[in-house]
Parts: sequence; structure tokens; C-alpha cells
Amino acid sequence: DAKTTQPPSMDCAEGRAANLPCNHSTISGNEYVYWYRQIHSQGPQYIIHGLKNNETNEMASLIITEDRKSSTLILPHATLRDTAVYYCIVRANTGNQFYFGTGTSLTVIP
Amino acid sequence: NAGVTQTPKFQVLKTGQSMTLQCAQDMNHEYMSWYRQDPGMGLRLIHYSVGAGITDQGEVPNGYNVSRSTTEDFPLRLLSAAPSQTSVYFCASRFDREETQYFGPGTRLLVL
Repeated sequence: DAKTTQPPSMDCAEGRAANLPCNHSTISGNEYVYWYRQIHSQGPQYIIHGLKNNETNEMASLIITEDRKSSTLILPHATLRDTAVYYCIVRANTGNQFYFGTGTSLTVIP
Repeated sequence: NAGVTQTPKFQVLKTGQSMTLQCAQDMNHEYMSWYRQDPGMGLRLIHYSVGAGITDQGEVPNGYNVSRSTTEDFPLRLLSAAPSQTSVYFCASRFDREETQYFGPGTRLLVL
């Protein structure tokens, strides 16, 4: 599975959009991009995933570049409860292993 | 549904002791897995199972055993605990053909 690179930390003002980048320059054609988050020592929570098209659900939007070498998770209106560590993961849909990495620690500031 | 449950929530062991971390899910998920998380690090996969009777090693399997006798349960055994196994352990499950993993609340293990 391809490795990902994320900034270690980011801040975002409450109510503004939080844009979390992820580089995955060695991603293969059959590998999906997944995003999970972990709120203060709880178990990780699934957010969204995509292959090459942009995706949106009730939690977030996922923008994947055309060459698929990077992506951005967008939380459109960040709240204090969005403060968490966000993990970007790439994995083939036939694979069984998720490699979480160290993620981005997002702090939403009042 | 209770989702993914883990017991105990917290455990202290002495070096050399053995114990079993319990994980159960009531969602009829085929796939279950165990991760450990150390301070400042992401989650690392220990073992996983794609169905009853089938298990495989993940990224950091040494010192741990697993079995999957039923769909619901996936216990993790530490045969001889070492201080290096001090960590937070998470169990997760999902349907084989779906992408969303559901995680348990974690077990915090301290090995003295």
C-alpha cells in the first residue's frame, strides 16, 4: 500500500472551512483514498473515501487531484467537536490492511 | 446494536504475565482486526481475520496470538507480557465488501 504524507498539525477557526491536505504520490491505480479521524483517545471514526472522483457526504468532502497524487479533506464549517487527529490512508479495495500513519492534528479554535 | 465492544477498558500487568483482550461485534461483520497505538504514533495493525477460522498477521504480530472461532469474537492473547507491549489496543470490524471500519473504544494496557 502506498504511503501518505500529512502535515503534523493545523489550526482552523470555528465556522470556517478546514482543508486538510494529503500527499500520496506513489498511489496505484486500484488504491482508494480513505479518511478517518480520532477524537481524543477514542477509536478512529470513518469519514469518507474515494478512488478518483470527488466525493461528498454529510461529514465532509474529498477532493482528489486529477493525477491522484494528492487529495484534500474539507470540513465545510468546522466546529470545536471536529478537533481530532485526521488520518489519510490509501489502500487497494482488495487489501486487508490499513496503514494509518501519524495523521494531522486539527485544532478548531473558538 | 452494541457495535464493537472491548474488555477490559484498562489493565495493568507484570512482565511475563499472560492475558486476553476481548473483542466482540454484533453486526455480523466478516472482517475483524486488532491495532495498537503508541504515544505520538498512528495505529499499527497486529492481526486480522477475514472470517471464522481464518486469521493472518499484520504489521506488528510478534508477541500476540489470535483466534476466530466465531464471527462475533476475536480475542487477542499476550502470552508473556513485556513493557514494550504497553499501549492502547483497538479492535475494529467491517463487512468484507464494505469499506467502513468500526472501531471499539480501546483497551489501555500497562506492563510493568
